[in-house]
Amino acid sequence: DAGVIQSPRHEVTEMGQEVTLRCKPISGHNSLFWYRQTMMRGLELLIYFNNNVPIDDSGMPEDRFSAKMPNASFSTLKIQPSEPRDSAVYFCASTRTGRATNEKLFFGSGTQLSVL
Amino acid sequence: AQSVTQPDIHITVSEGASLELRCNYSYGATPYLFWYVQSPGQGLQLLLKYFSGDTLVQGIKGFEAEFKRSQSSFNLRKPSVHWSDAAEYFCAVGMKSSGDKLTFGTGTRLAVRP
Repeated sequence: DAGVIQSPRHEVTEMGQEVTLRCKPISGHNSLFWYRQTMMRGLELLIYFNNNVPIDDSGMPEDRFSAKMPNASFSTLKIQPSEPRDSAVYFCASTRTGRATNEKLFFGSGTQLSVL
Repeated sequence: AQSVTQPDIHITVSEGASLELRCNYSYGATPYLFWYVQSPGQGLQLLLKYFSGDTLVQGIKGFEAEFKRSQSSFNLRKPSVHWSDAAEYFCAVGMKSSGDKLTFGTGTRLAVRP
């Protein structure tokens, strides 16, 4: 099992540019979560999908952020336009049955985003 | 709304010493409680979880945690710390009615002195 795979590992971009982060969940997992980690705010849930359908996007900071899950094996988180305050580590996680409250979350290694 | 507080931002212990990391939650009912560990440059890994039953739960790597309803706490313990335990530790709380949302604490960074 390859685990949750995120790409890129590091992204450095200039303010105003579009950024796309990618995630491949563990095969057979039905739910996918995007988290953002910063020193100030810790780990925040941005959005999660169940069976490719967005269930709760209330954590998405603003309209500049969007996420898609076109199929069970791929998701993207897009920021357009990016701003320096978006600099953070973005994690993707998946679970087998979609109940993060009662089973284990499997995390990817994260994407370190720096917006200059 | 549920919340999690980890009052210690940094903790340093000597190798072989005992460890206790504090976690307090705010929620009206009995939540689901978790401890995750994050090694440098890595994602989070589940150490242990509490749903119901025995209030002392055992996890991986020799860690345990005790749920104390009266104190709204779920502190993580290890009797003898190893240098490889140096990492950041996150407490998280979830509840059935919140769907799949977990609320994480801000983390405690553990350093281990040789």
